Amino acid sequence: AQSVTQPDIHITVSEGASLELRCNYSYGATPYLFWYVQSPGQGLQLLLKYFSGDTLVQGIKGFEAEFKRSQSSFNLRKPSVHWSDAAEYFCAVGGGGTYKYIFGTGTRLKVLA
Amino acid sequence: EAGVAQSPRYKIIEKRQSVAFWCNPISGHATLYWYQQILGQGPKLLIQFQNNGVVDDSQLPKDRFSAERLKGVDSTLKIQPAKLEDSAVYLCASSLASGGSDTQYFGPGTRLTVL
Repeated sequence: AQSVTQPDIHITVSEGASLELRCNYSYGATPYLFWYVQSPGQGLQLLLKYFSGDTLVQGIKGFEAEFKRSQSSFNLRKPSVHWSDAAEYFCAVGGGGTYKYIFGTGTRLKVLA
Repeated sequence: EAGVAQSPRYKIIEKRQSVAFWCNPISGHATLYWYQQILGQGPKLLIQFQNNGVVDDSQLPKDRFSAERLKGVDSTLKIQPAKLEDSAVYLCASSLASGGSDTQYFGPGTRLTVL
C-alpha cells in the first residue's frame, strides 16, 4: 500500500540556519514525489516535484530535494531559512495506476528571529 | 491566470444540518479534486473528476457526502447530514490532466466547523 511518512511533526530553526525536512515513502513502483507548502489560511503551493532523471531537484523559494531510492526518501532542504518560510510542509506521492496523491501528515516549521 | 476559487471560506453549522461548498477550477483544467484536511493531518482525497465523470470516489463517505461537476467545470461538494467529525478544511484542486505526475493547483479551502 502507498504511504508517506513525515517523522517530524514540528521543527524549529533560527533564521539563517539550514533546514532539512524528512519524508519517507512506501510505494510499489517508481513514485512521483512532491513537496507542498501551506501558509496559514492558504491552500497548498507546489515547491518542487520529482519524476525521473537527476535525483536532486530544485524548486521555488530556494528549496531543493533529493530522491534516494535506496532509502525510500525525498528530503527537502534549504541552506538558509527566512522568517517567511514558517509554514506547514507536506510531502506527497503519486503516480502509477492510481492517479491519486497520498499526502504525509505534514511538518510545521517555526522560524526564530 | 486566475487560480482555483472556493466559497465560502468559512462555514459554521450544527450537526445534522446540511452544507454545500463550491469550487471553480483553473480554466482549461480537465481534472478536479476535493480533499478533506482534518486538523493536524494531511489532505485526504475524497473525490476526483475527469471532466464531468468520476475517476475515484473510493474515500468519499457516500451515505452523507455527494459531489457533482456540472458541464465539466464548476463543482459542488455537499454534506447531508453533517457530523461533528466532518469539521475540517475542504480543499479543491485542479490539474490539466489526470495523471499522477500532474501538478495540482489548490484553492484556499473552506473551513467547516460542525457544532
